[in-house]
Amino acid sequence: DTAVSQTPKYLVTQMGNDKSIKCEQNLGHDTMYWYKQDSKKFLKIMFSYNNKELIINETVPNRFSPKSPDKAHLNLHINSLELGDSAVYFCASSPRRGLAGVFHYEQYFGPGTRLTVT
Amino acid sequence: KNEVEQSPQNLTAQEGEFITINCSYSVGISALHWLQQHPGGGIVSLFMLSSGKKKHGRLIATINIQEKHSSLHITASHPRDSAVYICAVPLKETSGSRLTFGEGTQLTVNP
Repeated sequence: DTAVSQTPKYLVTQMGNDKSIKCEQNLGHDTMYWYKQDSKKFLKIMFSYNNKELIINETVPNRFSPKSPDKAHLNLHINSLELGDSAVYFCASSPRRGLAGVFHYEQYFGPGTRLTVT
Repeated sequence: KNEVEQSPQNLTAQEGEFITINCSYSVGISALHWLQQHPGGGIVSLFMLSSGKKKHGRLIATINIQEKHSSLHITASHPRDSAVYICAVPLKETSGSRLTFGEGTQLTVNP
């Protein structure tokens, strides 16, 4: 069974379109994240949710909107796609936020979604 | 200057060699992650450590909080260790923590 799954694995679309990437974890974790990996393989955090509550919202365009219907799912919707949005998007989860801070627990990554905007 | 710096950026080794990858960060933290990204793109968490040393198989991670430095060692390296190794640090901000990544070290182990 896949612990953190993402769909789709590949997404090719044209500029201006709206698309969604879905993420699900079956680990019972409380916290989920979205990361973006650019063409230089540099990872940056975009969002984090803890028990469906947004706790981290980095400086990303408003065109990106995360949605967490329950603590096992964190979806990423992107409006009006631009060429610069082309990247690999990783979802991740961790056991709990805890008193020590959200990043003091091991992260479990999904397989990534390669988004290509043409 | 990146808040999290790794060295070297690229490393080529022969099978069996002892490997060391270094990570330095600019601000105080209380935990550090080492991640491995396979050639196929998948990312696996290797270690999360806040002090001292952790060992898992042939992998050893150490951290010195005072010196703001961590090392990842691979003993008896094997071609299947070829991957990108990334360190990540939760940097404290007023709103909480932001996980900041190093640029990664591309390791190639030749048979």
